[in-house]
Formats: sequence, structure tokens, C-alpha cells
Amino acid sequence: SQTIHQWPATLVQPVGSPLSLECTVEGTSNPNLYWYRQAAGRGLQLLFYSVGIGQISSEVPQNLSASRPQDRQFILSSKKLLLSDSGFYLCAWRDRQGGQEQYFGPGTRLTVT
Amino acid sequence: TQLLEQSPQFLSIQEGENLTVYCNSSSVFSSLQWYRQEPGEGPVLLVTVVTGGEVKKLKRLTFQFGDARKDSSLHITAAQTGDTGLYLCARLYNQGGKLIFGQGTELSVKP
Repeated sequence: SQTIHQWPATLVQPVGSPLSLECTVEGTSNPNLYWYRQAAGRGLQLLFYSVGIGQISSEVPQNLSASRPQDRQFILSSKKLLLSDSGFYLCAWRDRQGGQEQYFGPGTRLTVT
Repeated sequence: TQLLEQSPQFLSIQEGENLTVYCNSSSVFSSLQWYRQEPGEGPVLLVTVVTGGEVKKLKRLTFQFGDARKDSSLHITAAQTGDTGLYLCARLYNQGGKLIFGQGTELSVKP
């Protein structure tokens, strides 16, 4: 069966510090991968998606970046965090071979102070 | 990117009551999904609707896709406390299989 992991689960970082959030998927190959941010329990904002290793599409301009160094690894980064980067970050995967469902990870709660 | 508007934003009801939440767009979409999210967790897919006028049922939940494929509704019959959560509609795009979400309806069912 497939599983998706995110870490860390929670993170408190000062403004201006760097960020690295990691997401890994097990039990599937060549998935589409997605990063979302959710503020205060509201709707999810799509940040990045990837259809393959090294292929990243950005949905919104911001000080965040994403990378996919391996097939089932998706990393969200920032060189200098802003207060507005606080939120709940969710990673998701989708089977490119069939089905329309996205499967979400447990999320990372980021607080920038 | 076309926006999805959900209403109401918040809904607090008593156990046993019925409720309907709505998801609207100004543009036609090929398919729409409904997700439910509990606090501190990721959303979980409830249903995908693709055909105008389509109605799908999931136990006490009834999902309808508008004839013109610009709107959708979720109706819950005899709500239970376990129905509490954030209900999100999302438009599915063929490009990368990405989802664009509405802002959600936060439902609280009180005993």
C-alpha cells in the first residue's frame, strides 16, 4: 500500500531563517507530486507541482521554491522566511496512471516568529 | 485560474438537522471533487463528479453537479457529530492533474 510522509510535523522558525520541508511517498512509482499551503483552516493554495524528477511548476510567485531530486521525494525550501509564510503545508501525490484522487500527507505546521 | 466560491463559510447546527453547502464558479469545469478535512490532518476525497446533472450518494451525503457544470452542492441528511470538519470543493485540471480549491465550509455539528 502507498503511504506519504512529511516532516517535520511542526516547526517554529524566526523571520529571515531558511526552510526545508520534506515529503516522501512509498509504494508507488512516478507519481505527480504537489505542495499546498493552508492558512487558518481555510482552502488550500497550490504552490508547486511536479510531473517528474527535476520538473517543477510554480503556481504563485513567492519566496518559496521546490525541488524533486528523486522520483518519490519532494522538497519545499526558502532562503529567508517571511511572517506571511506561516501556515499548514500539505504535500500530496497522485497516481499518473489512473484515478483522479490526490492523497495528502499529514502536513507540517510552520510558525514564523 | 478560475475561482471557486463556497458558501456558507461557517455552519453550526444541531445533530439530526439537514444542511446544504454550495460551490460555485463563473466558468464551466470538466470535473469537480469534494474533500473533507479534519483539524490537523490532510483532506480526504469524498467524491468526484464529472457529468452535468449528476447526483452521487455516499450514505447520508448527496452530491449534485449542476446541469451547466458551473456549480455543485453537498447535502447532508440527519447530520451527526462525526460530520464536523472542513468541506472543500476543488476543480481538477488536466494540466498536471492539479487541484484548485475553494475556501471551504467549516461545519460544526453539536450534540
